[in-house]
Amino acid sequence: NAGVMQNPRHLVRRRGQEARLRCSPMKGHSHVYWYRQLPEEGLKFMVYLQKENIIDESGMPKERFSAEFPKEGPSILRIQQVVRGDSAAYFCASSPDDNEQFFGPGTRLTVL
Amino acid sequence: GNSVTQMEGPVTLSEEAFLTINCTYTATGYPSLFWYVQYPGEGLQLLLKATKADDKGSNKGFEATYRKETTSFHLEKGSVQVSDSAVYFCALSDPGDSSYKLIFGSGTRLLVRP
Repeated sequence: NAGVMQNPRHLVRRRGQEARLRCSPMKGHSHVYWYRQLPEEGLKFMVYLQKENIIDESGMPKERFSAEFPKEGPSILRIQQVVRGDSAAYFCASSPDDNEQFFGPGTRLTVL
Repeated sequence: GNSVTQMEGPVTLSEEAFLTINCTYTATGYPSLFWYVQYPGEGLQLLLKATKADDKGSNKGFEATYRKETTSFHLEKGSVQVSDSAVYFCALSDPGDSSYKLIFGSGTRLLVRP
């Protein structure tokens, strides 16, 4: 059973561009979480999704950020008009239920 | 609100030394508690967990006991190895929160020297 897959692993964008981060959960997992890790800090919750539904987006910035988890395909975290402060590692985790979360390797976003 | 506080690092130890990384939490209910480990350039791996008071989680020689009276979940290992060098995160999940999101501490970097 493959683990949680994230791509790309590294992403470089210039200010004002869009960033799309993808997460494929483990097989059989219908719960997806996105977290952000700023340099030298812990992970901060952003959003929790189940198939086709956003359940909790209390950690998402109000503007420029959006997330989806369609019926088919990976979960996508989209950041529009990126700014330097968006530079961080973005981790996806999946879960088969409401208990243990399994983390992907992360996408490291650098905004120039 | 819920929060997790960890001791600041880095913690530098010699091989075979005893390790303690302190973690305390604030929660309105009875959270589940976790320790995750992050090796350089990688994602987080669950190290151990405990879901109720007095539970002891253990894995790979690491242990942590859920202490409700002191709201703590300190990580210990009797004899560290160079390969244990990593960043360790304490986290909680509040079962009263329907999303079961994890709330993390800021992490403690451990460096073990040969």
